[in-house]
Amino acid sequence: SYELTQPPSVSVSPGQTARITCSGNGMSNQYAYWYQQKRGQAPVLVIYKDNQRPSGIPERFSGSASGTTATLTISGVQAEDEADYYCQSADSDASSVFGTGTAVTVL
Amino acid sequence: EVQLVESGGGLVQPGRSLRLSCAASGFTFEHYTMNWVRQAPGKGLEWVSSVSWHSGRMVYADSVKGRFTISRDNAKKSLDLQMNSLRPEDTALYYCAKDMTPVSYGSGKDHWGQGTLVTVSS
Repeated sequence: SYELTQPPSVSVSPGQTARITCSGNGMSNQYAYWYQQKRGQAPVLVIYKDNQRPSGIPERFSGSASGTTATLTISGVQAEDEADYYCQSADSDASSVFGTGTAVTVL
Repeated sequence: EVQLVESGGGLVQPGRSLRLSCAASGFTFEHYTMNWVRQAPGKGLEWVSSVSWHSGRMVYADSVKGRFTISRDNAKKSLDLQMNSLRPEDTALYYCAKDMTPVSYGSGKDHWGQGTLVTVSS
């Protein structure tokens, strides 16, 4: 299996843009998925297949991927976006791997 | 509405066993790979195990391989995790999660239960 590395924390002012990266050698041929987890709650899928947004997820959430790095972008950050964010991908043996997680703080 | 409800958590001594269950409803259970994901207190998400829609493939994280066994009963729409030889480092909130893409592996998890807490301590 491989590891997915994320920055431990990102701080952003309301209305600004937050970008969270996820890097791992196994990601070059696998999709990236992103989850938001607020304190005391189960994770919620916010981006699937690199850049698709599930129904009900605000348009300010977007995703991209290139090579071995995926990026989650939150444009026009709002206070309610303060949470932990995790990337996830698949391994060749059908297992899943989660990133190390990034805490987003809205200043 | 998709619902996943975990049960079976609790306090257990090191070396003992515990069996977790997840009751699923609101979707065609037999079409989707199902997963267990855990989160130790104050830590990140850790994938534990997955079982394919037809039970033909089970995969495990290295940290639990040989100690945990995943299984499913499509008729009962249930998912289980038999945990043997438990260690203090297995202490975590265990989530049941559904893959979003039918008849596939390793896709995103679009629905999660609320989790069941397992505490391994003497």
